[in-house]
Amino acid sequence: DAGVTQSPTHLIKTRGQQVTLRCSPKSGHDTVSWYQQALGQGPQFIFQYYEEEERQRGNFPDRFSGHQFPNYSSELNVNALLLGDSALYLCASSYTGALDWDTIYFGEGSWLTVV
Amino acid sequence: AQSVSQHNHHVILSEAASLELGCNYSYGGTVNLFWYVQYPGQHLQLLLKYFSGDPLVKGIKGFEAEFIKSKFSFNLRKPSVQWSDTAEYFCAVNARNFNKFYFGSGTKLNVKP
Repeated sequence: DAGVTQSPTHLIKTRGQQVTLRCSPKSGHDTVSWYQQALGQGPQFIFQYYEEEERQRGNFPDRFSGHQFPNYSSELNVNALLLGDSALYLCASSYTGALDWDTIYFGEGSWLTVV
Repeated sequence: AQSVSQHNHHVILSEAASLELGCNYSYGGTVNLFWYVQYPGQHLQLLLKYFSGDPLVKGIKGFEAEFIKSKFSFNLRKPSVQWSDTAEYFCAVNARNFNKFYFGSGTKLNVKP
């Protein structure tokens, strides 16, 4: 049973560039959430996708956008990168039809360094 | 706004010592409570969770946590830690029916063999 998979695992970008991170949810899961974890901090909620629509959003600027595909996989896009966007980006998935629908399962994350 | 506080940022214990990690949250409504653990080089994993019922919940690897509603707390405990418990522990809450998690800043536990 495949867990949550994310790609790439590490990447380096220059200020002002754009980045796309990808996530495949755990098998059978239909909801994908994205979190940003800066060094020394806990994960912070960016947004959540369900049925290909953004369902909830945290306090992140519009430079952060996302997409969910019909196969439930998801992308996180960040435009006009800032040095402060350097962080571990985590994808988490869940299944709305499960008894534990509000328990989320994390991938290993994508380390983004902005230079 | 919701928030989660973990007061211990770094804890160092010897094997067989008892562990208690503090977690307090701020939210006016009904919440679900979680502890996640991140072992070195691994992804965040669910340790235990509280949704309702018995406020003392048991998780994997001998961990337990107690929900004290009046104190807005959900402290994690283990009677006797092992070297393999070395990891970072995160407390998290989500508002009931909203699958949006708020995490504390984490506690790094270092267990000396």
